[in-house]
Amino acid sequence: NAGVTQTPKFQVLKTGQSMTLQCAQDMNHNSMYWYRQDPGMGLRLIYYSASEGTTDKGEVPNGYNVSRLNKREFSLRLESAAPSQTSVYFCASSETVVATEAFFGQGTRLTVV
Amino acid sequence: AQKITQTQPGMFVQEKEAVTLDCTYDTSDPSYGLFWYKQPSSGEMIFLIYQGSYDQQNATEGRYSLNFQKARKSANLVISASQLGDSAMYFCAMRPIYNFNKFYFGSGTKLNVKP
Repeated sequence: NAGVTQTPKFQVLKTGQSMTLQCAQDMNHNSMYWYRQDPGMGLRLIYYSASEGTTDKGEVPNGYNVSRLNKREFSLRLESAAPSQTSVYFCASSETVVATEAFFGQGTRLTVV
Repeated sequence: AQKITQTQPGMFVQEKEAVTLDCTYDTSDPSYGLFWYKQPSSGEMIFLIYQGSYDQQNATEGRYSLNFQKARKSANLVISASQLGDSAMYFCAMRPIYNFNKFYFGSGTKLNVKP
């Protein structure tokens, strides 16, 4: 089983460039999430989608946009990358927003120079 | 305010011994879930164990058990019979049951298992 698949795994951007991180899950989960992981700070929620057709802000949404393309796919877009967005990004999914287990992708290591 | 505290940045344990990773949390929500995840050097996040605040018994999953002390607001992870493959970062996390956009993670504990 693929589970949660993120692409790309690594990316280097110049300040001001844009890019989209892709995420897809094959578990028929309703809820999907985007997190960023910074040293010493654990994971912080950027955006989430409780179900297909809905998206909501998390703890640190500034500088990001998301699209829940369909039930499987949830993308994260950086319109104008900044060095402060250098981080490791994780996509996750769960059956519902109150599910007791969330499954994570392998992460995208993004560097903005 | 919600907060997860993992006070052990790094720990060492001898192979085959048990180890406890500490986690305390602070929440005003009456119902919440507590999670532990493992992050190996390869980077993925692997779900280990879940405990609901309403659960009377401590959760167990194979060699993992969660020592839940609600009054102390602690949710320590116990790994029995450590294996070399247990060397990884471990994250404690909490999510209020009815505020599902809040999924808080601690800063992690780096566990090294020595042969």
